[in-house]
Amino acid sequence: ETGVTQTPRHLVMGMTNKKSLKCEQHLGHNAMYWYKQSAKKPLELMFVYSLEERVENNSVPSRFSPECPNSSHLFLHLHTLQPEDSALYLCASSQEFSNSYNEQFFGPGTRLTVL
Amino acid sequence: AQRVTQPEKLLSVFKGAPVELKCNYSYSGSPELFWYVQYSRQRLQLLLRHISRESIKGFTADLNKGETSFHLKKPFAQEEDSAMYYCALRTSGSRLTFGEGTQLTVNP
Repeated sequence: ETGVTQTPRHLVMGMTNKKSLKCEQHLGHNAMYWYKQSAKKPLELMFVYSLEERVENNSVPSRFSPECPNSSHLFLHLHTLQPEDSALYLCASSQEFSNSYNEQFFGPGTRLTVL
Repeated sequence: AQRVTQPEKLLSVFKGAPVELKCNYSYSGSPELFWYVQYSRQRLQLLLRHISRESIKGFTADLNKGETSFHLKKPFAQEEDSAMYYCALRTSGSRLTFGEGTQLTVNP
């Protein structure tokens, strides 16, 4: 598959569970992003990785733990989440982080529900 | 701090009518603005950016620094324009701050 893919597309988990969201980009990009989209709120940038190094961490609670093992893969590890963490989690990638001309390409998102 | 405001959550027009989606921003630096669009059952994608001064699918947007606005306009709306539209502000690097979005419905 081309572009940015995310798995799973839907996830329901309890507050004590541990799960991971996966993102993969097939575009040869060097920067990857995690966004959170809650109901009635704007997209919020959570994490940015550039060349596998984290360059942004927007005061995200430690129950969200990102991992970028290589430039094509990005994970978001989840543990002891709260119901208010239920949201659509979007992954995106761009050619580079530092160049503003680089368009961000988005994945389809993972719809997360925390019970 | 930077902020993007889209005052209309819902906007409904008839086919062939002009449409304007409003976007205002707050940023102390030199702004770069974008419009992203999400059609039904599709992923979020870039529509246009102010720096390119382009027209995409008949849409244009002009950056007005005096009014701190970047409104999206199309003279004759089409049914296929129905979608969620997000205005976004780039602050540094590729960091984007998004507005809450406007759901545009074009009625036949």
